[in-house]
Amino acid sequence: AQSVTQLGSHVSVSEGALVLLRCNYSSSVPPYLFWYVQYPNQGLQLLLKYTSAATLVKGINGFEAEFKKSETSFHLTKPSAHMSDAAEYFCAVSKGSWGKLQFGAGTQVVVTP
Amino acid sequence: EAGVAQSPRYKIIEKRQSVAFWCNPISGHATLYWYQQILGQGPKLLIQFQNNGVVDDSQLPKDRFSAERLKGVDSTLKIQPAKLEDSAVYLCASSLGGPAPDYGYTFGSGTRLTVV
Repeated sequence: AQSVTQLGSHVSVSEGALVLLRCNYSSSVPPYLFWYVQYPNQGLQLLLKYTSAATLVKGINGFEAEFKKSETSFHLTKPSAHMSDAAEYFCAVSKGSWGKLQFGAGTQVVVTP
Repeated sequence: EAGVAQSPRYKIIEKRQSVAFWCNPISGHATLYWYQQILGQGPKLLIQFQNNGVVDDSQLPKDRFSAERLKGVDSTLKIQPAKLEDSAVYLCASSLGGPAPDYGYTFGSGTRLTVV
């Protein structure tokens, strides 16, 4: 069985500050890992993905995430928050079983001026 | 490239009524997924099609939910009868398919269902 835990349902950051969203997974084998962003009334947009190549993954909009097998973590970071980063972020895991994704509960990011 | 199309965008129905959602995947995508996203939760897979065959429907409440994918293209998800707890956003996604889950995986904008 596999599951995804996102620590913190809401995160508030100041514009220009570091964004750090935490994701831990439980899996008996190295999984595929994803971060998605969801803006209000929109579908999910892929930010980045880990598929067993490089452990440090760079994505769109300045986001990156690091896969740490020893910590079973895949935390998402962005050095400097922008107002447009306000959205909900989901971590997801798949063991490659024909695309079935299991999502965490999500983290709502608020960016303050 | 056109994205995954879903309709309607919003639907309000009374409990015990029936409702249907439609999804048109990206052209050429063999795999189609329906997810249910309840407010405050992450999306949960309801059913997965490979072409017009069902790959996984283990989390589909089959007493009230049904889905079909005719000719391996468009798909329809139906709820009959609806319950209050079915209020959610229903997301459709499609991909090129295959053992790796990142082949062009694309989500539609979803249908927001409110059951009153």
